[in-house]
Amino acid sequence: QSVLTQPPSASGTPGQRVTISCSGSSSNIGSNIVNWYQQLPGTAPKLLIHTNNQRPSGVPDRFSGSKSGTSASLAISGLQSEDEADYYCAVWDDSLNGQVFGGGTKLTAL
Amino acid sequence: QVHLVQSGPEVKKPGASVKVSCKASGYTFTSYGISWVRQAPGQGLEWMGWISDDSVNTKNAQKFQGRIAMTTDTSTSTAYMELRSLRSDDTAVYYCARGSSADYWGQGTLVTVSS
Repeated sequence: QSVLTQPPSASGTPGQRVTISCSGSSSNIGSNIVNWYQQLPGTAPKLLIHTNNQRPSGVPDRFSGSKSGTSASLAISGLQSEDEADYYCAVWDDSLNGQVFGGGTKLTAL
Repeated sequence: QVHLVQSGPEVKKPGASVKVSCKASGYTFTSYGISWVRQAPGQGLEWMGWISDDSVNTKNAQKFQGRIAMTTDTSTSTAYMELRSLRSDDTAVYYCARGSSADYWGQGTLVTVSS
């Protein structure tokens, strides 16, 4: 049971905008930066968003991140079939004195 | 370009130890720490710990306290993670990643714990 809550699944049709939420608390999201990772089937995770809303070089601008209070969100606009993957939020937790991951959200393009 | 190449799969018996290596290239090894993350079959990601860029400081998840050791060899740009007293629920793919933000990841090492 993670201290960060993500919906287990999300879906959308190609071209649609999809959002994935990550709910935490004052000891993690409320006081530290949030990163998002994409894990395509059978591969290692890849950093998708860092520092709440920054895209690493090479990540399409269809992906965006935001944070408000103790929650964060990942938005994918213009959903494509190749976006089908598991998505994880991650943040440092001051109470646990360690990094925590959300439980992950499996995104399906219908 | 940045690459992290991990050691091959391991099969261990309960109670044994495993040491996974992670060889870095394409960047200055001593400028970034290394994070370790694992993923049990069909499960999500679990942060295990982190070793600082100067290899002086380590932090690990409480559940691994006393069982995990993270080290680096700057002469070969290689990081190591040793997990002791293995149990069946330690069966997982173990990943190394660059820095606390884990911006580049290794390919993963499958560790199977079975009698």
